Amino acid sequence: TQLLEQSPQFLSIQEGENLTVYCNSSSVFSSLQWYRQEPGEGPVLLVTVVTGGEVKKLKRLTFQFGDARKDSSLHITAAQPGDTGLYLCAGANGGATNKLIFGTGTLLAVQP
Amino acid sequence: NAGVTQTPKFRVLKTGQSMTLLCAQDMNHEYMYWYRQDPGMGLRLIHYSVGEGTTAKGEVPDGYNVSRLKKQNFLLGLESAAPSQTSVYFCASSYSAGTDTQYFGPGTRLTVL
Repeated sequence: TQLLEQSPQFLSIQEGENLTVYCNSSSVFSSLQWYRQEPGEGPVLLVTVVTGGEVKKLKRLTFQFGDARKDSSLHITAAQPGDTGLYLCAGANGGATNKLIFGTGTLLAVQP
Repeated sequence: NAGVTQTPKFRVLKTGQSMTLLCAQDMNHEYMYWYRQDPGMGLRLIHYSVGEGTTAKGEVPDGYNVSRLKKQNFLLGLESAAPSQTSVYFCASSYSAGTDTQYFGPGTRLTVL
């Protein structure tokens, strides 16, 4: 069974601080996605990384896929209250069905 | 363009009762999925469909059944609800496999007493 462990599980920081969320597995994934979920809503895709070592930037968010495609990280620079939410990583196992294995989630609270 | 919609938004059942959750998408997507979300466990795949008339088991299929009679609809059924099925249920759809984006509905919060 493929598992994705995220750390930390909870994170409460002040506006303006930097943070990093980690997503780790012992399994190799063909691609990895990061989603953000706000209370009462479904997850929304932030980014997809497909190549080992790939780095993608989305404004203040930087996503990295590990060289061996087993892990990923999300770094937020100068966090804002609007960044508050549940961050989920999800690994795809390839093939024809696009099944995703979701991580355990990181709940981020950014205090003004 | 409503995207992915789910009905109902909230439901309370007694143990042993049955119900059906409806998911509808207006994006002409081939792939549809049902997940459940429990605290500290992320999202777990219950069943999925790769096209009209097809269904397949996911990670946690026991106690659930699904049907995809029309391309735009994916139904999740609970024949005899149990307290362990108390959860938030999400439906998602995607155009194709691989790295394609999954679009999620707003969720259904189900409580089984």
